[in-house]
Amino acid sequence: EVQLLESGGGLVQPGESLRLSCAASGFTFSSYAMSWVRQAPGKGLEWVSAISGSGGGTYYADSVKGRFTISRDNSKNTLYLQMNSLRAEDTAEYYCAKTGVAGWFDFWGQGTLVTVSS
Amino acid sequence: EIVMTQSPATLSVSPGERATLSCRASQSVRSNLAWYQQKPGQAPRLLIYGASTRATGIPARFSGSGSGTEFTLTISSLQSEDFAVYYCQQYDNWPRGTFGQGTKVEIK
Repeated sequence: EVQLLESGGGLVQPGESLRLSCAASGFTFSSYAMSWVRQAPGKGLEWVSAISGSGGGTYYADSVKGRFTISRDNSKNTLYLQMNSLRAEDTAEYYCAKTGVAGWFDFWGQGTLVTVSS
Repeated sequence: EIVMTQSPATLSVSPGERATLSCRASQSVRSNLAWYQQKPGQAPRLLIYGASTRATGIPARFSGSGSGTEFTLTISSLQSEDFAVYYCQQYDNWPRGTFGQGTKVEIK
């Protein structure tokens, strides 16, 4: 059974940093691209970042490029999202998602809430 | 950026009735279209990928159709557990996939 468990969310002030983690199990982690998708309170879904199975390819939405860094540790079956220079508009539930062979998201974690507020 | 537009924003349907949800892309995404269901307080769940292929474990009452710029998700006979928000997502320019704004299916 595929399981994705996010952690690391919390309340931070604007300009601060936070690192999210996503522990994966139930599949061969290194064989799949992984992504982060966020959802602001009461809003729709927004793709944030993706990383290839090997970690050699990383991709970002324009809204987070230069501030967020995605990475993975295939020896630990864990995905990360380092978020720097956080802004109020980054407030959202952050989901990690296993990415299907062509780009759909076939499994999602339960989410971790990031709140950026002074 | 490919913009996905869903309609209607809210759909009121009685249990047992058919629900038809639409999704339009601002440019062709071929068949690279997925549908997700999200219930309050839960993560999204994949229903359909490749525009018409049901994901593992998804009941046959869910069906997807379309290609290019026009897509449809049909729920043939709504069950109580189907009342939720539904999102379409294009992944033609993966990884920069984009989502529609969602359609809420509510009880009439």
